[in-house]
Amino acid sequence: QKEVEQDPGPLSVPEGAIVSLNCTYSNSAFQYFMWYRQYSRKGPELLMYTYSSGNKEDGRFTAQVDKSSKYISLFIRDSQPSDSATYLCAMTLTGGGNKLTFGTGTQLKVEL
Amino acid sequence: GAVVSQHPSWVICKSGTSVKIECRSLDFQATTMFWYRQFPKQSLMLMATSNEGSKATYEQGVEKDKFLINHASLTLSTLTVTSAHPEDSSFYICSARVGQAANSPLHFGNGTRLTVT
Repeated sequence: QKEVEQDPGPLSVPEGAIVSLNCTYSNSAFQYFMWYRQYSRKGPELLMYTYSSGNKEDGRFTAQVDKSSKYISLFIRDSQPSDSATYLCAMTLTGGGNKLTFGTGTQLKVEL
Repeated sequence: GAVVSQHPSWVICKSGTSVKIECRSLDFQATTMFWYRQFPKQSLMLMATSNEGSKATYEQGVEKDKFLINHASLTLSTLTVTSAHPEDSSFYICSARVGQAANSPLHFGNGTRLTVT
């Protein structure tokens, strides 16, 4: 079993839809959770960074962490074609600067 | 915002040659940089942690003599793939921690696509 499980997709939604992306994990010691967006042939771009359980909102993006269920989510409101990318969840034990464990990424396509 | 720059963005080399990839932090100092490898449709796998002024720390299964890492300054780390073979063809991405706190998030460069023929 992988430490972090993420549905690879592809996930196709119409423009304006609310997108829900999820990851589950097995190591309860993970404390910091991140979401990265990766466009084709580019490096990952940090979108959201959260600590422990709870919600965090930034513009159209909302990150949720439920440590009791070992489940994290990223919601994208009013999705745009420019949101089409691969979304990677990542987590670490003691902080974002230490070893990150990544999910495989979910490929999202927002269609006009 | 923080910027991590990688060069070259892509390179094609012949089997048996060596390739050097540079990773620079442009507007901040990075005592620690990380090198990842990503195969098509797979996630990022940490190869090694590059520490300024000391030896790199390699992940299990990564050959340190094949993937030479040098972190000579607070803004530059290099990864040299020595005696490259076709199976080394991959997307190599560096990252750096912005800020000194252990919980500072990582920012990534745009990656280097290596093709070994």
